[in-house]
Amino acid sequence: GIQVEQSPPDLILQEGANSTLRCNFSDSVNNLQWFHQNPWGQLINLFYIPSGTKQNGRLSATTVATERYSLLYISSSQTTDSGVYFCAVWGNAGKSTFGDGTTLTVKP
Amino acid sequence: KAGVTQTPRYLIKTRGQQVTLSCSPISGHRSVSWYQQTPGQGLQFLFEYFSETQRNKGNFPGRFSGRQFSNSRSEMNVSTLELGDSALYLCASSPGALYNEQFFGPGTRLTVL
Repeated sequence: GIQVEQSPPDLILQEGANSTLRCNFSDSVNNLQWFHQNPWGQLINLFYIPSGTKQNGRLSATTVATERYSLLYISSSQTTDSGVYFCAVWGNAGKSTFGDGTTLTVKP
Repeated sequence: KAGVTQTPRYLIKTRGQQVTLSCSPISGHRSVSWYQQTPGQGLQFLFEYFSETQRNKGNFPGRFSGRQFSNSRSEMNVSTLELGDSALYLCASSPGALYNEQFFGPGTRLTVL
């Protein structure tokens, strides 16, 4: 199956800093999503982005499908951005694979 | 629109028992997928149902099964529970096409003693 690698595994920032999270995948994909998991375990949709660039407020994402990676940018970090960020991909078989996540801690 | 709902939210069982979890998708969504999240294995795909048929399956033993009803609601069942089945079980719904965006429910936290 497709391998998904997220980096860095852990990230600690001061409030107001910017950050870039990376997701590499080993094969072509038909869907890619970024999620934020809240402290209660629910996965919150951030982006549905199999290719191209999207922006939503302080967050933006870019997927370069031909080079098999996606980036999530968080600008002007806030303490409420803390949590685990997951990248998930769907390959040709329709099955999904999640990365191990990036744990972001934003300090006041 | 109401989001994906899962019941129960918390569950405690003992080894050897069986358990049934329920998921109601977003209104109009026809696909339901199930996932298991554990600290050791991360988030893993269990199976997906579309129009009452299993469309995809992950690499889990036959003790894990599911079904979908005509109103798109889905249930998953785990028989002969093991300690390792303790996990957060997440359900996601999507409109139906194979690579539509998926939306997740709050999860059911299962503890096996």
